[in-house]
Amino acid sequence: DTAVSQTPKYLVTQMGNDKSIKCEQNLGHDTMYWYKQDSKKFLKIMFSYNNKELIINETVPNRFSPKSPDKAHLNLHINSLELGDSAVYFCASSQITGGNSPLHFGNGTRLTVT
Amino acid sequence: DAKTTQPPSMDCAEGRAANLPCNHSTISGNEYVYWYRQIHSQGPQYIIHGLKNNETNEMASLIITEDRKSSTLILPHATLRDTAVYYCIVNAGGTSYGKLTFGQGTILTVHP
Repeated sequence: DTAVSQTPKYLVTQMGNDKSIKCEQNLGHDTMYWYKQDSKKFLKIMFSYNNKELIINETVPNRFSPKSPDKAHLNLHINSLELGDSAVYFCASSQITGGNSPLHFGNGTRLTVT
Repeated sequence: DAKTTQPPSMDCAEGRAANLPCNHSTISGNEYVYWYRQIHSQGPQYIIHGLKNNETNEMASLIITEDRKSSTLILPHATLRDTAVYYCIVNAGGTSYGKLTFGQGTILTVHP
């Protein structure tokens, strides 16, 4: 059973297109995240949602719009894709209630914009 | 969150203990030390965390110095599958919870 699953695993698209990445967690966690890992392998947080409410937004361009239909899902929609958006995007979840429980990451979506 | 410093790379022989150091000299009293690792082409995997006391779980042990300015992750019997990038992260929780700052980490190579 995959705890945090992302689809698709690979996404190749052209500049200017709009695309979505889906994420689901079956851990019963109340908080979900999107992280981006660039070509230099640095991982940085983009967003976090707690019970469907946005709690962290790290100055990500508004072309990126996360959507959380319920606390088990956090999807990432990207408008007008640019070459610089090429990266690996990781979804994660944790139980924020009580604090300091670890993050569980999915295996990433490799986005390539041509 | 406090910044951490780790060696860029380390080697370890299979079956031996791997000791990965981390310096976090500016850590605050309410900040935890977390260790994650990232095996090639996978998402980061949580290993262990601690505040003051040493911690042990089925994967590893975490030794935190008394002044909390440094820590060591110990993989007691390294295997080839432990080859990965290991990240040491400090995080206070609260409003910054989940906002983990990943540095460059230590590339651990376990060789036969």
